[in-house]
Amino acid sequence: QSALTQPASVSGSPGQSITISCTGTSTDVGSYNLVSWYQQHPGKVPKFIIYEVTKRPSGVSNRFSGSKSGNTASLTISGLQAEDEADYYCCTYAPSNTLVFGGGTKLTVL
Amino acid sequence: QVQLVQSGAELKKPGASVRVSCKTSGYTFTGHYMHWVRQAPGQGLEWMGWINPKNGDTKYAQNFQASVTMTTDASSRTAYMEVNRLTSDDTAMYYCARDGGPDFWSGWCDIWGQGTLVTVSS
Repeated sequence: QSALTQPASVSGSPGQSITISCTGTSTDVGSYNLVSWYQQHPGKVPKFIIYEVTKRPSGVSNRFSGSKSGNTASLTISGLQAEDEADYYCCTYAPSNTLVFGGGTKLTVL
Repeated sequence: QVQLVQSGAELKKPGASVRVSCKTSGYTFTGHYMHWVRQAPGQGLEWMGWINPKNGDTKYAQNFQASVTMTTDASSRTAYMEVNRLTSDDTAMYYCARDGGPDFWSGWCDIWGQGTLVTVSS
């Protein structure tokens, strides 16, 4: 199972919105609404921020939102803040009850 | 509160094995699958596999099928992940991560351990 495709980096200014894409195939992202997203600050443990494509766990800011179209899922962060600067990873269910992560995207807040 | 506390850093020689533990608290241990995720230095997250603590069923990623064994001990509420025949490519941070669905496999990881750094060097 190949890793999902994410842009290596994205950037935005404080207050702006950015979107990170996560492209899979018709057998993973395209077939199941089981995309999750994780935020990881340098040297820290990944944090769970989106599940089942669009749902936010309790305590996660509503500035984070998820969506999906076809084989591509997206994470949008609105009202960008300095603390959002981190690496972001998508993850999805893949055939035979496995998971696959994306390669990760480094978000820089300018 | 829910916690996953992993064992400490390990330094191993090539060809050796390492076992990482993940001690849980704050929830019904047998009610959630446990995933293991690897992160090599400067690299992304890589899913290794899962184990169902209720019955010991496992599923490994293809890359790890020959070298990884996952087990659990319900009496101590602890999950274990063993990597055999270590090479320098296995130098990485290893995380245990609880599957989010109580009593079913949800496919997302809601609580993570703090990570265990395994260094393989001669």
